[in-house]
Amino acid sequence: RKEVEQDPGPFNVPEGATVAFNCTYSNSASQSFFWYRQDCRKEPKLLMSVYSSGNEDGRFTAQLNRASQYISLLIRDSKLSDSATYLCVVKDPSGGYQKVTFGTGTKLQVIP
Amino acid sequence: SQTIHQWPATLVQPVGSPLSLECTVEGTSNPNLYWYRQAAGRGLQLLFYSVGIGQISSEVPQNLSASRPQDRQFILSSKKLLLSDSGFYLCAWNSQGKETQYFGPGTRLLVL
Repeated sequence: RKEVEQDPGPFNVPEGATVAFNCTYSNSASQSFFWYRQDCRKEPKLLMSVYSSGNEDGRFTAQLNRASQYISLLIRDSKLSDSATYLCVVKDPSGGYQKVTFGTGTKLQVIP
Repeated sequence: SQTIHQWPATLVQPVGSPLSLECTVEGTSNPNLYWYRQAAGRGLQLLFYSVGIGQISSEVPQNLSASRPQDRQFILSSKKLLLSDSGFYLCAWNSQGKETQYFGPGTRLLVL
């Protein structure tokens, strides 16, 4: 099993729709989780951290389910500008604070 | 504020030629520095990380090497490029003790 797994998509959704992505991780000792956004041919940029109690930033909501070992990202009222690849990132508990593992990403395409 | 630079932005090199990619960070001191490679359709693969001048940790065996001659300078090198070295090379940094990583704009390398 991969350390971090994501559905590659693409998820094609109309503007205004709500869309959710999941990301599963294999190491139950993982402590820190993040979502990054990567536009085509650009560098990844931090979207949000994922806190144990769940957290929200505008239209974006991130949640953690430790029992099932997955994190999720919910995007409400999708905009065309949300089209990108969303990378799940999990802190490697055995690698010191330096190491994180990136998922391969889920591609989102918001359609007019 | 902190900024991270990479150059060149794109590079086309013949097989067997040498490589030198440079990354510099401004606005911070003693950062952790990272080199990642992202091959087409694949996730980010950590190649090297450094916690200080002259301190390099290698994550995967390969024909690449890294050096950190100055606190905020990180260099990725190869003596002889392979076709499989093609990809998007990303430099990243974070503060000591922090997990969130910030990426430079990347170098797109094509080996022919």
